[in-house]
Amino acid sequence: GAVVSQHPSRVICKSGTSVKIECRSLDFQATTMFWYRQFPKQSLMLMATSNEGSKATYEQGVEKDKFLINHASLTLSTLTVTSAHPEDSSFYICSATRLLASNEQFFGPGTRLTVL
Amino acid sequence: QKEVEQNSGPLSVPEGAIASLNCTYSDRGSQSFFWYRQYSGKSPELIMFIYSNGDKEDGRFTAQLNKASQYVSLLIRDSQPSDSATYLCAVNVYGNNRLAFGKGNQVVVIP
Repeated sequence: GAVVSQHPSRVICKSGTSVKIECRSLDFQATTMFWYRQFPKQSLMLMATSNEGSKATYEQGVEKDKFLINHASLTLSTLTVTSAHPEDSSFYICSATRLLASNEQFFGPGTRLTVL
Repeated sequence: QKEVEQNSGPLSVPEGAIASLNCTYSDRGSQSFFWYRQYSGKSPELIMFIYSNGDKEDGRFTAQLNKASQYVSLLIRDSQPSDSATYLCAVNVYGNNRLAFGKGNQVVVIP
């Protein structure tokens, strides 16, 4: 159990366009979902925390108007990168926690975004 | 001070040897500690978690926690080439369900 999926796994887009990434918990209800970004050879950087039905909490330095997060249900969160630029090219990973699961985070497989 | 520190550089170990990884954390209120493994180009996968002081063994992996000294370690026994990856230490942030991650330690197992 505790499988998290992400879609798409890889996306290439033109500068200025918007890209939506979906994160789904397949076999459990996710009380909280997290969005991370990882640049090559660097560690995970938490971008935001989202709880179903409420606004996401963004980490310092992350533009909430650029990285739109919607957590519409207990199994789905989406991250939209608006007006993407080449510097937004990165590996985006979501994770989810289960109710009463003591902070353990289950990670999705990640989405590789390349902005041309 | 960073929340979670993993200061060792890349670790090369011969196949069959023990790999030892260390991690220190700053928040004395932390209660949950995790080790994740991340292969290049992939997302992290959980390999161990530990909540209580002492050792916890799972197969070839042993996690050790010392809350008084605020460190957690991971031992990999009988290292295999498939263990070659980056290992991330993660600690819960007291008061919320966020995890703070270290920068990771790369392990290379030499056949």
